[in-house]
Amino acid sequence: GESVGLHLPTLSVQEGDNSIINCAYSNSASDYFIWYKQESGKGPQFIIDIRSNMDKRQGQRVTVLLNKTVKHLSLQIAATQPGDSAVYFCAENVLGGSNYKLTFGKGTLLTVNP
Amino acid sequence: ETGVTQTPRHLVMGMTNKKSLKCEQHLGHNAMYWYKQSAKKPLELMFVYNFKEQTENNSVPSRFSPECPNSSHLFLHLHTLQPEDSALYLCASSQDRRGFGADTQYFGPGTRLTVL
Repeated sequence: GESVGLHLPTLSVQEGDNSIINCAYSNSASDYFIWYKQESGKGPQFIIDIRSNMDKRQGQRVTVLLNKTVKHLSLQIAATQPGDSAVYFCAENVLGGSNYKLTFGKGTLLTVNP
Repeated sequence: ETGVTQTPRHLVMGMTNKKSLKCEQHLGHNAMYWYKQSAKKPLELMFVYNFKEQTENNSVPSRFSPECPNSSHLFLHLHTLQPEDSALYLCASSQDRRGFGADTQYFGPGTRLTVL
């Protein structure tokens, strides 16, 4: 099976609420994680990343939390807006040989209701 | 805009046609990637080029042929495709493949390919 997966394939929230998107990974050697946002008709867009030596990282309205004990990653979006509606992917970065390899999950569809 | 452009954005082709997808990155990166994105599946890595050299071919059928003439341009040549090859083809670039965190990839908008 894939090493990166998502607990919920869809998430529907009201505008202004906070959103939490979860991701599980299975490779304990993963040392770097990235969240991407993909809007309809567009390619994935980098949102935020976190290294394995960190537990939390904040960006503008977004926070990524990393729990290495249970191999869990989450993306929190504060005051969710209609423009946040998209598919969100987590990806893990693992060093294999001399190259890094990025493995993606299937994605969670976030729908923001006005 | 991410600094990665792809043309064409949409392509419809028959199974006997030959076509090419083009990707260009304006980020000064040295690594470029082709991915296939099908409905309800994770992104599938197809090819990786690092400093113009192909470093990964993820068991892709020979009807897909990549070309990387320089670090800024990447092509995917298509020949005798099958209907199941219909998908969104995404190009990405990153700084290079060798440093920690350097593999953060920036994606183009993709080419929506339909094979009839």
